[in-house]
This record gives sequence, structure tokens and C-alpha cells, in this order.
Amino acid sequence: EPEVTQTPSHQVTQMGQEVILRCVPISNHLYFYWYRQILGQKVEFLVSFYNNEISEKSEIFDDQFSVERPDGSNFTLKIRSTKLEDSAMYFCASIPDIMNTEAFFGQGTRLTVV
Amino acid sequence: AQTVTQSQPEMSVQEAETVTLSCTYDTSESDYYLFWYKQPPSRQMILVIRQEAYKQQNATENRFSVNFQKAAKSFSLKISDSQLGDAAMYFCAYTDTGANSKLTFGKGITLSVRP
Repeated sequence: EPEVTQTPSHQVTQMGQEVILRCVPISNHLYFYWYRQILGQKVEFLVSFYNNEISEKSEIFDDQFSVERPDGSNFTLKIRSTKLEDSAMYFCASIPDIMNTEAFFGQGTRLTVV
Repeated sequence: AQTVTQSQPEMSVQEAETVTLSCTYDTSESDYYLFWYKQPPSRQMILVIRQEAYKQQNATENRFSVNFQKAAKSFSLKISDSQLGDAAMYFCAYTDTGANSKLTFGKGITLSVRP
């Protein structure tokens, strides 16, 4: 069964450093998302991406965040200068098309900023 | 803006018994989708069940079923014959039928299953 793959599973970084979280969505899916879950809290939407551009972003997704799909398969989330409060689980998700809204989630990347 | 409320932070059920997890939501849309996701200790997000708002029939997936009350904006999950493997965090989620279909999640409920 096709699945969304995220790497790494756990990343530890120093405050102020840049991190790139990687995702390989299911190959025929068209819509891509990043969500964040701070430990013990709810899952929050960060950004959606379609047709090689951001279609919607939340208030959390400020200038230190960026996304891109550089090669048609990988979908990356970059945090330019990490803060302690960026420590969270980051989930990538994709859906096939707008008529099928079942989101397929990756297993998540746990980001720890020290 | 759409909101999803899960007011019970924790619930416990005896193995083999039935438990119902509550969820309410708020939206001005008439067509939308509702979901229950399970998050075990591994923290993977696993889709349990999906309900389309235009369908009056409640969705069912094996031991999992929902009670969808559109007028009351209520969407509860019933787990029958609870198993130890059902112990997890459960999130109720909403998405509309617009172009982006982003999910709005509730705060989640921790379900424990007593042997």
C-alpha cells in the first residue's frame, strides 16, 4: 500500500540553526500539507501546497518557514532559524484530489530544539 | 472560522465494552467532511472513520461507528468490543469541500482500555 514517508524520524538541532524536514507524498497525490503538533496539544495546520505553490498558510507559518517541492517527488519544510518553541512533531500529509479528502499522513518528524 | 471541540480530555473503558467519544463542531458550510483519527504512542495519525455531511447514514467501519447529528453539529465515535490496541489519543477533525481541504482538529481525547 502506498504511503507518505517522512525523514528524519527525529531531529535535534540547536536554537538558531536551519532545519529541513523532508516528505515523499504518495506519487499520484496533488495536494500537500504540513501540520504541527506540540507535545500534548492538538494538531495544527501550517500550510497547504498545490500546483507548485502555497495555496493557504496559517498564522503559525511566518517568514521563518518555507516549503518547496524541488523535484516533483520530495516536499520539504524549512525552518530558517529555529526557536525553542518550534520543538514539536511535524506531519506531512497528502490527498489525491479535491474530490477525495481523505488525508494520508506520514509517520511524523519529531523536532527537538535545544 | 471552523472550530472542533472535544471537551473530554480522557476516558477509560473496560476491554470488550463499548465507549463513546464526543465531538462537536461549528461551521457555516452545508457540505463538509468529518473524521476521527487515532494516534497511538508511535504518534502516527491513522484514519479511523470518515463521514460526509451530505450523507444522512452514519458511517461504520467494523467495530467503529459514528453518530452524526448535523443539526446539532455533533459527531461522536462509538467503539464496540473495545480492545487493548484501541488505547490511543483520538482526534476529531473537520474539513470543508473547498479547494484546500485543510483539516481542523479538536484537542483530542486519551482513551485507555482496562484489561
